[in-house]
Amino acid sequence: DGGITQSPKYLFRKEGQNVTLSCEQNLNHDAMYWYRQDPGQGLRLIYYSQIVNDFQKGDIAEGYSVSREKKESFPLTVTSAQKNPTAFYLCASSIGGSLQETQYFGPGTRLLVL
Amino acid sequence: AQSVTQLDSHVSVSEGTPVLLRCNYSSSYSPSLFWYVQHPNKGLQLLLKYTSAATLVKGINGFEAEFKKSETSFHLTKPSAHMSDAAEYFCVVSEGNQFYFGTGTSLTVIP
Repeated sequence: DGGITQSPKYLFRKEGQNVTLSCEQNLNHDAMYWYRQDPGQGLRLIYYSQIVNDFQKGDIAEGYSVSREKKESFPLTVTSAQKNPTAFYLCASSIGGSLQETQYFGPGTRLLVL
Repeated sequence: AQSVTQLDSHVSVSEGTPVLLRCNYSSSYSPSLFWYVQHPNKGLQLLLKYTSAATLVKGINGFEAEFKKSETSFHLTKPSAHMSDAAEYFCVVSEGNQFYFGTGTSLTVIP
């Protein structure tokens, strides 16, 4: 089955640690996205990538980093510089690079800071 | 400036009664509009999408939405609520290279 997978489902981080959230898609989509979801705030765009080896900052990129070495993978690293990392993180992909395309979402990773 | 407003943070309906989830947007151009549904601790699933074709858009699970340019609205409706409809619903507007999410409406369905 085609789809988007995110792992792990739950992730715990100690203060000062970097952690990496995985996102893989086998839909052959060019574009991939990372969102952060906080209660009552909808989704906010962290980073997006319209093509391999290229990515752009979204609205809240500070404290995060990404890479896009392969079409099917778009890992997100939450660095120690992110002061409030506890949130639900959603990865998405779309066929083309236009942000007007329908986005397909993974099941999400919940990050908790200990 | 682009924005999307979901007018109700929480809606409760009885099973079998109609559902109305309201969304208003502001846009300088002709936007693309989406409704997504999110069940607890899950990703978002596309319900329907408007992209300047027919103004009444039919989606999955019996949902539909009507694009009203004069009212800058894109309200989501369903004639008869089912228990499985209980979830969080997001209205999304895209324009240019930006994708704007509303803050969500939580739908409760009462048996």
